[in-house]
Amino acid sequence: SAVISQKPSRDICQRGTSLTIQCQVDSQVTMMFWYRQQPGQSLTLIATANQGSEATYESGFVIDKFPISRPNLTFSTLTVSNMSPEDSSIYLCSVDVLAWDASYGYTFGSGTRLTVV
Amino acid sequence: KNEVEQSPQNLTAQEGEFITINCSYSVGISALHWLQQHPGGGIVSLFMLSSGKKKHGRLIATINIQEKHSSLHITASHPRDSAVYICAAGRSQGNLIFGKGTKLSVKP
Repeated sequence: SAVISQKPSRDICQRGTSLTIQCQVDSQVTMMFWYRQQPGQSLTLIATANQGSEATYESGFVIDKFPISRPNLTFSTLTVSNMSPEDSSIYLCSVDVLAWDASYGYTFGSGTRLTVV
Repeated sequence: KNEVEQSPQNLTAQEGEFITINCSYSVGISALHWLQQHPGGGIVSLFMLSSGKKKHGRLIATINIQEKHSSLHITASHPRDSAVYICAAGRSQGNLIFGKGTKLSVKP
């Protein structure tokens, strides 16, 4: 299955600044997914990133706040812009890949724990 | 009402106990996923189910498509099983809808 390298693993940022999170996959994948997990909450899909086209955002998430790049089939970035304390969350990227039993499963990055002060 | 509901929210067990975590969903799915999240936030995929039952070592996952219900069982639980277990509905669009997770703590 795919291996995802996600960085940074954690950061503490000042409000009003921006942070870019990177995910590198060791194989080519069509779709990459970006999720947010606010404290005590379940993971929520932010957007789906396809190579060569604009990301598709879920309701409640906008490109100006969470710009995404997908320059090739192995890499994507998510930027959290103009941060506020409400953006403090774990952010994860994920891909769906052919799993060990020939079914499609999901691989996740190790997560970025963001604290905004 | 959440589209994916898990129970219990928290679970404490003694080492060696048999553990069951339940998941009900109300959306159409391409598959049902069980995931394990460790304290640092990293997530590991345990199972992907579209019917019946799967087993990996001490972990067993079952699904009843008609009842829209799935269970994750852990036999002979061990402290290293302590983690958050998450049920997620796989959609045809490719994304997942997650339950809130069950925090499992296994005491030695």
